[in-house]
Amino acid sequence: DIQMTQSPSSLSASVGDRVTITCRASQSITTSLNWYQQTPGKAPKVLIYDASTLQSGVPSRFSGSASGTDFTLTISTLQPEDFATYYCQQSYNIPYTFGQGTKLDIK
Amino acid sequence: QVQLQESGPGLVTPSGTLSLTCAVSDDFVNSINWWNWVRQPPGKGLEWIGEIFHNGNTHYNPSLQSRLTISIDNSKSEFSLKLTSVTAADTAIYYCARWVRPADYFDSWGPGTLVTVSS
Repeated sequence: DIQMTQSPSSLSASVGDRVTITCRASQSITTSLNWYQQTPGKAPKVLIYDASTLQSGVPSRFSGSASGTDFTLTISTLQPEDFATYYCQQSYNIPYTFGQGTKLDIK
Repeated sequence: QVQLQESGPGLVTPSGTLSLTCAVSDDFVNSINWWNWVRQPPGKGLEWIGEIFHNGNTHYNPSLQSRLTISIDNSKSEFSLKLTSVTAADTAIYYCARWVRPADYFDSWGPGTLVTVSS
């Protein structure tokens, strides 16, 4: 199985901050990487697919990038509704695997 | 926007069988998408369980394969999960989700249902 390692596991930030979350794959997955946001009591919601493609309806303050086996999710200007848990997920092969999650909370 | 809804018992006894169904408001037969199950133990991360295509083809997580069956009923627009010989480690929120092709990501999810394994 491909292992996905996210960092940090938790992060405190303020409204208006710029935040970056990193995900590293245990092997090459090309750009087969998705990012999801999950708020308490809700199902995950896709933000970014194929490493850098913004899902329709997702605010442009979210962006994704890739460099080899390292992937980043950036939120340019944090809004109150962005405090949530974020997961990366590889779609390169089965079994699909997720990172352990990054919990973003208010400083 | 497709709607998905999980249903099934919220409590299963240890060594028993966990059975869930997902009702979908989508055209299974003409869809190129795959229908998936994902679970999340309380307070923990996400684990992919498996998927099924409208023709019955399946892919399973090897970690669960020996205990897992996913089936589909195109006439009812439903797909189902059966997990046998459950233990407390199978306690989780179970989500059904649509995997869209060729973009390859989960674009729609059910709200999830908590299944507790306990005597």
